[in-house]
Amino acid sequence: AQSVTQPDIHITVSEGASLELRCNYSYGATPYLFWYVQSPGQGLQLLLKYFSGDTLVQGIKGFEAEFKRSQSSFNLRKPSVHWSDAAEYFCAVVPLSGGYNKLIFGAGTRLAVHP
Amino acid sequence: NAGVTQTPKFRILKIGQSMTLQCAQDMNHNYMYWYRQDPGMGLKLIYYSVGAGITDKGEVPNGYNVSRSTTEDFPLRLELAAPSQTSVYFCASSYTSGSSEQYFGPGTRLTVT
Repeated sequence: AQSVTQPDIHITVSEGASLELRCNYSYGATPYLFWYVQSPGQGLQLLLKYFSGDTLVQGIKGFEAEFKRSQSSFNLRKPSVHWSDAAEYFCAVVPLSGGYNKLIFGAGTRLAVHP
Repeated sequence: NAGVTQTPKFRILKIGQSMTLQCAQDMNHNYMYWYRQDPGMGLKLIYYSVGAGITDKGEVPNGYNVSRSTTEDFPLRLELAAPSQTSVYFCASSYTSGSSEQYFGPGTRLTVT
């Protein structure tokens, strides 16, 4: 079945530590790939996106993501986490069938940051 | 430039009541979307619109209706509210489909009791 999977529901890291959030997708053709962030009580904001080309994508707030076709993965990374990064992170895809109109979200990973 | 605005922020409905969630954007975006967010489930697409007068169903359209009479507004109508519709509702817009960034409103928290 077509799906977007974020294996980690909650992650806790210390401030200054590195971070990697996992995302796997299951689609016949590689979809458009996105990471969104939702701060508490807020709407979602786009961090970065991948369509094609260079498999390492830079985003806002110091985040980057690496696309690995062989693993059907699009993991989000940050070298040094700040307390303000505490939020919920969503991986999302736009499948390349069905008119490119539908953004399909994973269940999300909630990030807590210890001082 | 207010972006995407939603009203109300909170609402409590009784079972069987109806209401309309309002959404407006001032970015002249063609595409607008309604999502619901349930705990641990991510966001699910309810309906979307590719322009004034054109709407289509998303993943979870049952129990909802939409209309798009102008580029700016995309209201979501709940008829005969049910407890299963308790959720946080987000409206979003984008300039085009697919590859375009979606801009989200702050959400409406709806409780049906």
